[in-house]
Amino acid sequence: SQKIEQNSEALNIQEGKTATLTCNYTNYSPAYLQWYRQDPGRGPVFLLLIRENEKEKRKERLKVTFDTTLKQSLFHITASQPADSATYLCALDGSGGYNKLIFGAGTRLAVHP
Amino acid sequence: NAGVTQTPKFRILKIGQSMTLQCTQDMNHNYMYWYRQDPGMGLKLIYYSVGAGITDKGEVPNGYNVSRSTTEDFPLRLELAAPSQTSVYFCASVSHQKETQYFGPGTRLLVL
Repeated sequence: SQKIEQNSEALNIQEGKTATLTCNYTNYSPAYLQWYRQDPGRGPVFLLLIRENEKEKRKERLKVTFDTTLKQSLFHITASQPADSATYLCALDGSGGYNKLIFGAGTRLAVHP
Repeated sequence: NAGVTQTPKFRILKIGQSMTLQCTQDMNHNYMYWYRQDPGMGLKLIYYSVGAGITDKGEVPNGYNVSRSTTEDFPLRLELAAPSQTSVYFCASVSHQKETQYFGPGTRLLVL
């Protein structure tokens, strides 16, 4: 079955540094991969989508890479700020269409001043 | 636009009770989804709908039922609440022309 893995341990970094989060998947070849941000007690909020034929996508301080050979996506936040502290979820399009998503458990990021 | 709204925000149920979690979206999206999120776990798809009158099971449908009588509303029904249904429930919607999902604020359910 499809499986997504994200670092379960929290990532602690210093303000101004680049945060890099990892998403690995197995047993599947997704057409696209998405990243969401989730704050405590809130619903996930969409950040970026990258398709299987794209190597890299950028949006302001965010960058996502997609390596279909390694079955891995990296999510980077440059010049990180304490306001970037949240849980970041990786999601793949599930089989069967209809934009169903399979989510990883998420990685909690803490940016310290 | 209010986006996706969910009620209630929090509910405590006794084992065996029933309840309906409400979800409404005002974006005229065709596709709607119900997920549950347990601590340390990814969101799991319970049910989804691709339009009014059309619903289908997701990964973890047991113990739940849904209906979709209008484009806007997609309620989730728990008939006989069990402690294993203690979770946070999220509703989401997406336009059939796009892939990104819009999530509601969630309903926290505690079954005792």
